Amino acid sequence: EAGVAQSPRYKIIEKRQSVAFWCNPISGHATLYWYQQILGQGPKLLIQFQNNGVVDDSQLPKDRFSAERLKGVDSTLKIQPAKLEDSAVYLCASVGAGQAYEQYFGPGTRLTVT
Amino acid sequence: AQKVTQAQTEISVVEKEDVTLDCVYETRDTTYYLFWYKQPPSGELVFLIRRNSFDEQNEISGRYSWNFQKSTSSFNFTITASQVVDSAVYFCALSEARNFNKFYFGSGTKLNVKP
Repeated sequence: EAGVAQSPRYKIIEKRQSVAFWCNPISGHATLYWYQQILGQGPKLLIQFQNNGVVDDSQLPKDRFSAERLKGVDSTLKIQPAKLEDSAVYLCASVGAGQAYEQYFGPGTRLTVT
Repeated sequence: AQKVTQAQTEISVVEKEDVTLDCVYETRDTTYYLFWYKQPPSGELVFLIRRNSFDEQNEISGRYSWNFQKSTSSFNFTITASQVVDSAVYFCALSEARNFNKFYFGSGTKLNVKP
């Protein structure tokens, strides 16, 4: 079974530029999460999708961050414009039905904003 | 308020020592799940264990064991006879069933196992 795929693995941009991250969850997993993990901290939930609907985006900075999950499969997370404090690892995770909420994480995208 | 507290920021031990990582959680939900994840230097979070709120039985898996105590809202993780490969950041997490299974992670404990 293929795991959660994310791309790119690394990205360096200047502040005020835009960036997008892509996530392909495990096949059949209905729930998808995006997390932000700042160095030295635990992952912080940005947004949670159930199929292609948003369940929770209370911690998503909506003035600059957006996310979508078309057709309930792949998802993209966008930052526009980026700030220095957005430097972090962005993790995608998915959960399958009947798996008692066990999250499978992708390798993450390390973003550096200069 | 912090939902999950891992008070130990960093722990260093010598190989073959036992080490316990502490986790204290806070929830008003009666149905919830607790997790431990390992994050090695490669960065990918690796699932270790899940416990639900109705099962307080302790669990042992090889050198790993977990102690779940609802009375103290704790879910501690012990590594017996630690090895260098155990060096990683360990995260405790809480998921509340009433909250659409939203996950709350602790800040992590970095474990350094020296040869």
